[in-house]
Amino acid sequence: KAGVTQTPRYLIKTRGQQVTLSCSPISGHRSVSWYQQTPGQGLQFLFEYFSETQRNKGNFPGRFSGRQFSNSRSEMNVSTLELGDSALYLCASSLAGTSGKETQYFGPGTRLLVL
Amino acid sequence: SQQGEEDPQALSIQEGENATMNCSYKTSINNLQWYRQNSGRGLVHLILIRSNEREKHSGRLRVTLDTSKKSSSLLITASRAADTASYFCASETSGSRLTFGEGTQLTVNP
Repeated sequence: KAGVTQTPRYLIKTRGQQVTLSCSPISGHRSVSWYQQTPGQGLQFLFEYFSETQRNKGNFPGRFSGRQFSNSRSEMNVSTLELGDSALYLCASSLAGTSGKETQYFGPGTRLLVL
Repeated sequence: SQQGEEDPQALSIQEGENATMNCSYKTSINNLQWYRQNSGRGLVHLILIRSNEREKHSGRLRVTLDTSKKSSSLLITASRAADTASYFCASETSGSRLTFGEGTQLTVNP
């Protein structure tokens, strides 16, 4: 099975712009979660989608949003970029994510640099 | 803010030695997972231990979980240079939400 894929892998934007990142989960996985990793804050949960619905949300401002399509692929969008949004954005997928027994598999990440 | 704490923050050992990393968390969990990350790349899943399990093995990895102390440890036996990486524990609380520790940077010297 192919793993979790994320596109693009690297991205450079300027302050005030917006960006869309994409994540394709492992085939058959319906839960997709997003995480932000920075040197200062570490790995932080952004949100989780399941069956095209946001099921869980972290403590991030409304500039961060996401969606999931019927094929379970997910996108996250960051509007009005700030310098502090520079980070590695990681996507993880799991089958359904509710049993407490499932492994979450991570993609390679998208490294975003905001200038 | 992160729920978990890991210690040590950095660990340097020689090939062949064992490496032990510890993790603590704050609330009740469904499971605890350990991940490895090489140089800012994606996270590689190592092992999952459920809240009703106390110990689990996978190859050279041994994980323990003490829910009364809200702590876990990861032991890597007979370490290799290729084990050099950052190691994170992640506790699953609600749904599939993971809360990560700060990570331990392991360096295995050949």
